[in-house]
Amino acid sequence: GAGVSQSPSNKVTEKGKDVELRCDPISGHTALYWYRQSLGQGLEFLIYFQGNSAPDKSGLPSDRFSAERTGGSVSTLTIQRTQQEDSAVYLCASSLTRSSYGYTFGSGTRLTVV
Amino acid sequence: AQKITQTQPGMFVQEKEAVTLDCTYDTSDQSYGLFWYKQPSSGEMIFLIYQGSYDEQNATEGRYSLNFQKARKSANLVISASQLGDSAMYFCAMREPFDKIIFGKGTRLHILP
Repeated sequence: GAGVSQSPSNKVTEKGKDVELRCDPISGHTALYWYRQSLGQGLEFLIYFQGNSAPDKSGLPSDRFSAERTGGSVSTLTIQRTQQEDSAVYLCASSLTRSSYGYTFGSGTRLTVV
Repeated sequence: AQKITQTQPGMFVQEKEAVTLDCTYDTSDQSYGLFWYKQPSSGEMIFLIYQGSYDEQNATEGRYSLNFQKARKSANLVISASQLGDSAMYFCAMREPFDKIIFGKGTRLHILP
């Protein structure tokens, strides 16, 4: 597609439930990133995929968070046993190569845990 | 240690005035990239401008320019002739070689009519 697509745009879930957030990057972009933005805060790095390399998971806040990228394209971020502090906007971005500058961001998924 | 520091949580500027948003960074690498992104209330992240550490000239993109002072590790964004539509959150960010981009906490800019 023309841009980075994220779904759903909004998700309300009950505490303790699992959620899956999807990111469809720009076709041909080899690098894919997930960030989290809590209300009024900056962007917190979560995880980074580059081609077939092992992902950089250094930003994942706990083992309840995991992500995969299938076929070097679509990525899914999974949060298990959601907590209220997981409420945030989850932003996905992609770039052409890991050495290129600038990302293209998706519109984000607003997750609310009640 | 914080890699990107934006010391102005909020700023109010009169329309048509120029505005400078401060950013300092910390890295031991010689090769790195610096970015500014704009985030309006709609939430999208809009790439504004990029400066490479080896670029000799300050980057410019329309009304945006980046005042790059390498020795001071400073990468301030200058917006000339501000407009009401410039009201948004602005993030400074840095990328070290072959690594992810790290963002500052942002500055919320309010343009007053």
